[in-house]
Amino acid sequence: DGGITQSPKYLFRKEGQNVTLSCEQNLNHDAMYWYRQDPGQGLRLIYYSQIVNDFQKGDIAEGYSVSREKKESFPLTVTSAQKNPTAFYLCASSMRQDSNQPQHFGDGTRLSIL
Amino acid sequence: SQKIEQNSEALNIQEGKTATLTCNYTNYSPAYLQWYRQDPGRGPVFLLLIRENEKEKRKERLKVTFDTTLKQSLFHITASQPADSATYLCALARFGNTPLVFGKGTRLSVIA
Repeated sequence: DGGITQSPKYLFRKEGQNVTLSCEQNLNHDAMYWYRQDPGQGLRLIYYSQIVNDFQKGDIAEGYSVSREKKESFPLTVTSAQKNPTAFYLCASSMRQDSNQPQHFGDGTRLSIL
Repeated sequence: SQKIEQNSEALNIQEGKTATLTCNYTNYSPAYLQWYRQDPGRGPVFLLLIRENEKEKRKERLKVTFDTTLKQSLFHITASQPADSATYLCALARFGNTPLVFGKGTRLSVIA
């Protein structure tokens, strides 16, 4: 079955540590996205990529970094500069980065601070 | 400033009734508006997309309307069932091909 796989489902970070969240898709989609969701909040866009080797900052990119070396993969690194990283992180993809394209989401990674 | 507002955080209705959820926006000119369903601990799932020149779109028990004059979309679930209980999110692009912006969602509970 085609879809998006996020791993791990739960992740714990120590103070001062960088952690990387994995996102893989086998839908052959060009565009991929990372969102953060906090309780009572909508999805907020961290980074997005329209094509391999290219990505743009979203609304809350500070303290995060991404790479897009392969079409299928869009890992997100939460750096120590992100002072409030506890949240539910969602990865999504769409055929193109276009407002008429539905987004397909993974089942998220819940990040907590030890 | 640009805003997307979904009418309420939570909505409780009786099984069999029609649920109506509202998405209002200001300072956007969306060409498309999308609705998603999210279950606890899961990612959102796409339900329906409606274009600005479409007044209404239907899919099984779901109906979406889009009024660009009122800057509002209504999402209806007819003959609601407990399995429809979830959070429903609306999303639109600020303009053109910019990324989607999501509302905070409305948590629907259908009571048997």
